[in-house]
Amino acid sequence: AQSVTQLDSHVSVSEGTPVLLRCNYSSSYSPSLFWYVQHPNKGLQLLLKYTSAATLVKGINGFEAEFKKSETSFHLTKPSAHMSDAAEYFCVVSSSIKFYFGTGTSLTVIP
Amino acid sequence: DTGVSQDPRHKITKRGQNVTFRCDPISEHNRLYWYRQTLGQGPEFLTYFQNEAQLEKSRLLSDRFSAERPKGSFSTLEIQRTEQGDSAMYLCASSVQTSGVPDTQYFGPGTRLTVL
Repeated sequence: AQSVTQLDSHVSVSEGTPVLLRCNYSSSYSPSLFWYVQHPNKGLQLLLKYTSAATLVKGINGFEAEFKKSETSFHLTKPSAHMSDAAEYFCVVSSSIKFYFGTGTSLTVIP
Repeated sequence: DTGVSQDPRHKITKRGQNVTFRCDPISEHNRLYWYRQTLGQGPEFLTYFQNEAQLEKSRLLSDRFSAERPKGSFSTLEIQRTEQGDSAMYLCASSVQTSGVPDTQYFGPGTRLTVL
């Protein structure tokens, strides 16, 4: 069985401060892990993915995530938040065809 | 690469009516997926096609739901006798089959269905 748990439903940060969005996963197999972002009225956009290569994955717009097998975590970080980062973020686990999404974390960026 | 497109973007219908949604995947993508997303939740898998073959269906896909991909290109999702519980965002995604690792799925903007 596969699942992800996004530990925070809402995160609020000030512009220019670091962002941390937390994700824990459960998978019976070696998983691939993804982070997607969803802006209002727009489709899901891939931020980054982990597929058993380097454990530190760099994505678009300055985001990165670290795969920690011992902690079954795949947290998303960014050193400095921008107003345009305000959106819904989804952590996804997959070891086959199907994607299993978390319930999402809504990021608010305060000017 | 023009991305995944979906039509319509919004649909309002009365309970009991039938609706049909269309998805055009990225050209040369042989896999196509349908998901449903309700408010406050992440998308949930509904069904998946490899070329024109529908290879997997979720238990969420009741008998009132049917999906087709007749020529391995665009796909349609039909809901018959809609119910208020069908109100959701219906997302389509496509991917290229990649050996050894799960594909990266590219999502369309979705069709928001409201059943009155």
